[in-house]
Amino acid sequence: DGGITQSPKYLFRKEGQNVTLSCEQNLNHDAMYWYRQDPGQGLRLIYYSQIVNDFQKGDIAEGYSVSREKKESFPLTVTSAQKNPTAFYLCATRRGKGGTDTQYFGPGTRLTVL
Amino acid sequence: KQEVTQIPAALSVPEGENLVLNCSFTDSAIYNLQWFRQDPGKGLTSLLLIQSSQREQTSGRLNASLDKSSGRSTLYIAASQPGDSATYLCAVEGGSYIPTFGRGTSLIVHP
Repeated sequence: DGGITQSPKYLFRKEGQNVTLSCEQNLNHDAMYWYRQDPGQGLRLIYYSQIVNDFQKGDIAEGYSVSREKKESFPLTVTSAQKNPTAFYLCATRRGKGGTDTQYFGPGTRLTVL
Repeated sequence: KQEVTQIPAALSVPEGENLVLNCSFTDSAIYNLQWFRQDPGKGLTSLLLIQSSQREQTSGRLNASLDKSSGRSTLYIAASQPGDSATYLCAVEGGSYIPTFGRGTSLIVHP
């Protein structure tokens, strides 16, 4: 069963805690992305990776960190430095770096800070 | 910096109506434009991708057009159905190969 898995579906965090959101893919895609979506807003790019062991900051990287040690996995850590982390987080993949390929999205993780 | 605007922000129509969703972008130097669908609490699903050299793409009851010079795209949905109710997002991609998304149009099709 091919696709993108994000876990957990819902996540609750106390202020001051770091939490890690999982994104796994078995599509053999090179590129992976993390987006944040707030109500009534478009998607904002947090980090992206076009190859293993390399990643780039997006528009809103502050307070977040990522790693890309395996092609299949691109976990996102929301640190205590992120002042307003409550949002819907979407992971996406793409076969190549862009231009002619579409992005495929996971089902998302909803993070709530208590 | 590329900016993408979608109008209207929300739309409610009766079943069977033909409708048009609009997307405009400020920088016409794009490689492609995509339309996505998002159901509540779910991820995005790609509907249509138009390359910069193309003028339109069709899939079933959906037709998307692209006018690069004017910075506009439209998504035409024919004979709308309640199952079409969702948020539709437009994304444009330029030289960075990173898509810029609009805020979406929330569509409700009522029986």
